[in-house]
Amino acid sequence: GAVVSQHPSWVICKSGTSVKIECRSLDFQATTMFWYRQFPKQSLMLMATSNEGSKATYEQGVEKDKFLINHASLTLSTLTVTSAHPEDSSFYICSATPGRLAYEQYFGPGTRLTVT
Amino acid sequence: SQKIEQNSEALNIQEGKTATLTCNYTNYSPAYLQWYRQDPGRGPVFLLLIRENEKEKRKERLKVTFDTTLKQSLFHITASQPADSATYLCALGAGNNRKLIWGLGTSLAVNP
Repeated sequence: GAVVSQHPSWVICKSGTSVKIECRSLDFQATTMFWYRQFPKQSLMLMATSNEGSKATYEQGVEKDKFLINHASLTLSTLTVTSAHPEDSSFYICSATPGRLAYEQYFGPGTRLTVT
Repeated sequence: SQKIEQNSEALNIQEGKTATLTCNYTNYSPAYLQWYRQDPGRGPVFLLLIRENEKEKRKERLKVTFDTTLKQSLFHITASQPADSATYLCALGAGNNRKLIWGLGTSLAVNP
């Protein structure tokens, strides 16, 4: 149980284009979803927290107009990287918590984004 | 500022031995602490959660201790196997927002 999928697993795009990453909880309803990015040999960096039906809460230093997050349902959240630049190249991972009494996070397999 | 420190150097142990990983924190009062496993190029996998009022928690070959006075958690893997080789992350949380503060992780290699 508690499976989270992410799509695509990797994507290459050109500078200036936008990329959408989907995160789905397959067998549970996710009251809260998180989006992280991770650079090689670095810790997970939280970008934003999203609750179904409400606007995402972004961490300090994360541009909300560049990283658009939509938590459309209790099983789906999307991250859109707009006007991508090479410095946006990273490993993006989503996670979800199952229910209001749960504190553990279940992660997707991650998306490797390369901007050329 | 809040800080989490995990063993910076990789840990190499022999199969069958017990691996012990350390997580120390400062300037923080967590309500709970979690351990995750991460394999290269993959998302982390949840292993154990321990709350501030719990001293120890076990799950199969895993054991976690939590000392809020020392501000330290120890993570043990008994009867280690090569398949346990991975990076292990420590994460702390305090609020109902479920946000976690993450350590850098410790790389564990179990040699056959």
